[in-house]
Amino acid sequence: DSGVTQTPKHLITATGQRVTLRCSPRSGDLSVYWYQQSLDQGLQFLIQYYNGEERAKGNILERFSAQQFPDLHSELNLSSLELGDSALYFCASSSGGGQNTDTQYFGPGTRLTVL
Amino acid sequence: LAKTTQPISMDSYEGQEVNITCSHNNIATNDYITWYQQFPSQGPRFIIQGYKTKVTNEVASLFIPADRKSSTLSLPRVSLSDTAVYYCLVGDKWDNYGQNFVFGPGTRLSVLP
Repeated sequence: DSGVTQTPKHLITATGQRVTLRCSPRSGDLSVYWYQQSLDQGLQFLIQYYNGEERAKGNILERFSAQQFPDLHSELNLSSLELGDSALYFCASSSGGGQNTDTQYFGPGTRLTVL
Repeated sequence: LAKTTQPISMDSYEGQEVNITCSHNNIATNDYITWYQQFPSQGPRFIIQGYKTKVTNEVASLFIPADRKSSTLSLPRVSLSDTAVYYCLVGDKWDNYGQNFVFGPGTRLSVLP
């Protein structure tokens, strides 16, 4: 158990809909990262927040947005969903700000299925 | 961005030592090398991290030659439960945070009985 929690575990929705994925980092960690993993794309970094502020952006679509709240939990919002958005979404946390020595601790993931 | 190259897959038998090599020819001075392990439908898990020479922990060893253009993850006496995908990550410049999180396709290790 990494100490990172993600809800829900599974989510099934229809195209065009909007969903929110939630992540609680390990106690004391200030950074939260979001990743998308699909069968044909591997693990793709989406975005990182550090202590409430956006720190780094990866391959995140404009239809996707995220935020980190004062209690450090984070939410990833996915809108206008398409079939291709079906994937595992992982959240990770680290104590630092994303330096290359930071160890990231990954949550169990949310499996999103768009029908 | 420090690009990495790993074998796509490897097979081994229980009890053998497995060595997975990662090439990173344009590694920068500040870069560290980090390995993660991922089981199906689970998030990646940190295994080991190093900067140069050799690092060992209770799970694995990491060998890094003097030129740091490659690194080798060594798993001693693997078991069936070591079947997973192994990712090699090399951090970019200190302040290019977003570029530190590039997971390549990884190496799919299959341990056979």
